[in-house]
Amino acid sequence: SQKIEQNSEALNIQEGKTATLTCNYTNYSPAYLQWYRQDPGRGPVFLLLIRENEKEKRKERLKVTFDTTLKQSLFHITASQPADSATYLCALASGGFKTIFGAGTRLFVKA
Amino acid sequence: SQTIHQWPATLVQPVGSPLSLECTVEGTSNPNLYWYRQAAGRGLQLLFYSVGIGQISSEVPQNLSASRPQDRQFILSSKKLLLSDSGFYLCAWRTGGRADTQYFGPGTRLTVL
Repeated sequence: SQKIEQNSEALNIQEGKTATLTCNYTNYSPAYLQWYRQDPGRGPVFLLLIRENEKEKRKERLKVTFDTTLKQSLFHITASQPADSATYLCALASGGFKTIFGAGTRLFVKA
Repeated sequence: SQTIHQWPATLVQPVGSPLSLECTVEGTSNPNLYWYRQAAGRGLQLLFYSVGIGQISSEVPQNLSASRPQDRQFILSSKKLLLSDSGFYLCAWRTGGRADTQYFGPGTRLTVL
């Protein structure tokens, strides 16, 4: 079955550094991949979408890469700030109307 | 612009009691609608989705059910809650394309005692 894996351990980094989160998937060849941010007690919020024919996508301090050979996406936050502390979810279209979400990686940015 | 509403925000219910959670979307027509459950510290589990009025697809066999009585209304129900039904319930919508993002509601925190 299709599976998405994100690092279940929290990532702790210092303010100003670059945070890098990993998303690996198996048994699927998605046409695109999405990243969402979720704050405690809130619903996820869409951040970025990258298509299979795109190697890299940027939005302000965010950068996403998509390697369909490795079946992996990397999510980078440059010049991280304490306000970036949240859980980040990776998501793939499962075919048809469904989307599969990873369990997310918790990011803590220390001032 | 589109908005999505969920209520109630929090709910504490005894085991065996019924449940009704409501989700409504404004500013769009014929959205695909979704119910997810998120256990503490876990990922999103898709429970139901709907592509139109009266059309419900169930992903996980359980004591929950869903209905879509109107185009922009999605209801999650149970006749008898179990302890394992506790969690954070999220409603989401998206338009029909595969590449479209999902937009989530604020969620309902359900605690079954």
